[in-house]
Parts: sequence; C-alpha cells; structure tokens
Amino acid sequence: SSDLTQDPAVSAALGQTVRITCQGDSLRTYYASWYQQKPGQAPILVIYGKNKRPSGIPDRFSGSNSGNTASLTITGTQAEDEGDYYCNSRDSSSDRWVFGGGTKLTVL
Amino acid sequence: QVQVVESGGGVVQPGRSLTLSCAGSGFTFSTYGIHWVRQAPGKGLEWVGAAWHDASKELYGDSVKGRFTISRDNSKNTVFLQMNSLRAEDTAVYYCARDVWDATTVTYFDYWGQGTLVTVSS
Repeated sequence: SSDLTQDPAVSAALGQTVRITCQGDSLRTYYASWYQQKPGQAPILVIYGKNKRPSGIPDRFSGSNSGNTASLTITGTQAEDEGDYYCNSRDSSSDRWVFGGGTKLTVL
Repeated sequence: QVQVVESGGGVVQPGRSLTLSCAGSGFTFSTYGIHWVRQAPGKGLEWVGAAWHDASKELYGDSVKGRFTISRDNSKNTVFLQMNSLRAEDTAVYYCARDVWDATTVTYFDYWGQGTLVTVSS
C-alpha cells in the first residue's frame, strides 16, 4: 500500500514534548520528510532524511525512523509550533510520492 | 535567493482546461525535479505529480492521471501543469515545490511556492 497514516490531532502543553507519527510500508524504503503548515500559508520543510533540519528550523524539532514508522518529535513545544504537520515519502512500488493525512497540533 | 512562484489560477467551468505555471529562480533550474501538490479547501495535502529535472519523465497521482499533463521548459526555468476535463473536486490551492532526491532513499521538497487557487465552478 502507498498510504501514509497519521493521527488526525494531538495536543501538548506549552513546554512539553510531543510526538507525531506516520505509518506506511513506503517508510521501509524511503525516509519520511515532515512539513509544517499554518493557516493560509504554504508548507515548510522541518525534517528530512535521517533526522536532518533545514537551516532556520529550531533544534527542538527532531525525527526518527523504525520499520514502517516515522516520528516527528518537538521537545519543549512552543506556541508558534501550533499548526498542521504532514509526512511525505516516496512509494517504492509505484514510484510516486504520497502525503499522510496530516496531524493538527494544538498547544495548550 | 531560491524561489518558486506559481501563476495561472482562477475560476474555470467544469470540463474546461487551465494551465498553471511554476517559475524558478535563484538556482540551477535544470538540475531539480519540480512537483505539484494541491490542497482542497479545509483538506490535507495531495501529491499531484512531478517532472524530472531533465524532462525525461513525469509521474501523476491517480486522481489526475490521464487529465493532467506536466511539462517543463528549462530554457525558461518554468514547469507547466496543464489541467483538462476539470471537475469540481479539482478545486484547490496548487503549490509547486522543488524536489531534492539523493538518488537513494532521501527525497524531500525544500522550497515551496505560495500557491495559486483554482476554482472549478459553473
């Protein structure tokens, strides 16, 4: 299957650690990339490859991978981290790319 | 600085066609794949398709295959998304994004445009 599955919503208190997960068979072959999107804005890349962050992304964002599951962890969640998070990967059988359904992060 | 900018969105009737453009600047355009991603109102991101850096290959998502065509003109640093037989469910913000692929297991979209809205309505 080429689907990537994410929990629809998670919440975290300010300063707490939150983990967002993404499951799918394609993750056994390709690393996930993670994107943050705020209302009315384009997505931005936050994590790619084996836990790499683009320039400008705070180090409280980290990624990990195990089997068919990729995780995005935010350590010490800030109010500005609130938004939607999407995972993406490439499907090794179809060669196409696929997004997870997205996880809405609410910071309490 | 690196930029990709979409244009060409608008309101179009069902069954008609529309072509979007994605112009790149600030990087060697011909060495990067370009993808199209869309987002229907209130929904998540959907991968639409991709053009290989050298125009040797295109791939499409199931929902648009046979109706949409991606092409690129590297002399003009531009990728096009031709959308035919448009349906109400094609209504979305369409983004283009630059692809980085290390030819093994790492692939990601590092730069995104701001998107262009396509509304399919009579």
